[in-house]
Amino acid sequence: EAGVAQSPRYKIIEKRQSVAFWCNPISGHATLYWYQQILGQGPKLLIQFQNNGVVDDSQLPKDRFSAERLKGVDSTLKIQPAKLEDSAVYLCASSLDLGLAGGRNEQFFGPGTRLTVL
Amino acid sequence: RKEVEQDPGPFNVPEGATVAFNCTYSNSASQSFFWYRQDCRKEPKLLMSVYSSGNEDGRFTAQLNRASQYISLLIRDSKLSDSATYLCVVTARENQGGKLIFGQGTELSVKP
Repeated sequence: EAGVAQSPRYKIIEKRQSVAFWCNPISGHATLYWYQQILGQGPKLLIQFQNNGVVDDSQLPKDRFSAERLKGVDSTLKIQPAKLEDSAVYLCASSLDLGLAGGRNEQFFGPGTRLTVL
Repeated sequence: RKEVEQDPGPFNVPEGATVAFNCTYSNSASQSFFWYRQDCRKEPKLLMSVYSSGNEDGRFTAQLNRASQYISLLIRDSKLSDSATYLCVVTARENQGGKLIFGQGTELSVKP
């Protein structure tokens, strides 16, 4: 079974530029998550989708970050404009469904996109 | 106070050693508990779930104390391949849709 796919794997941009990341979840997974992992920290949830609807975006900096999952499959996360503190790994994860994690709701992570903002 | 706090690392141990990681969480309404493993420059992967009765998977034993809001992971007979960062993870309440809250991770380095 194919895992969660992400692209690009690496991106270097200058501050104030824009960047977009793409995620393709595991086939059939209804729930998709975007996490930000800053060096030396654990991942932090930015946004969670159930099909094409947003479940939780409470920690998404909405002045500069946006995300969409228009057809309930692939998702795009955008940063515009980028700041130095946005340098991090952006991880996409998916699970079969919502609810308590574990079992059928285990989250599977993609390899991440490593963003460097200069 | 952080929602999930772990022992600061890194832990440097010889092969064959027993090592224990500790974790505390602040939200008493947390429903589910896990340990994830993250290799250098890789994505996190589920190592094991943690149950109130305690559970074991080979050389790994996880314990949960809900009263103290404390989680632990014990690794016996450490192998070189155990070198990684171990992330303590809890979920929020059920109506928060399985949201995972990660600790900062504890790095383990097993030396020959």
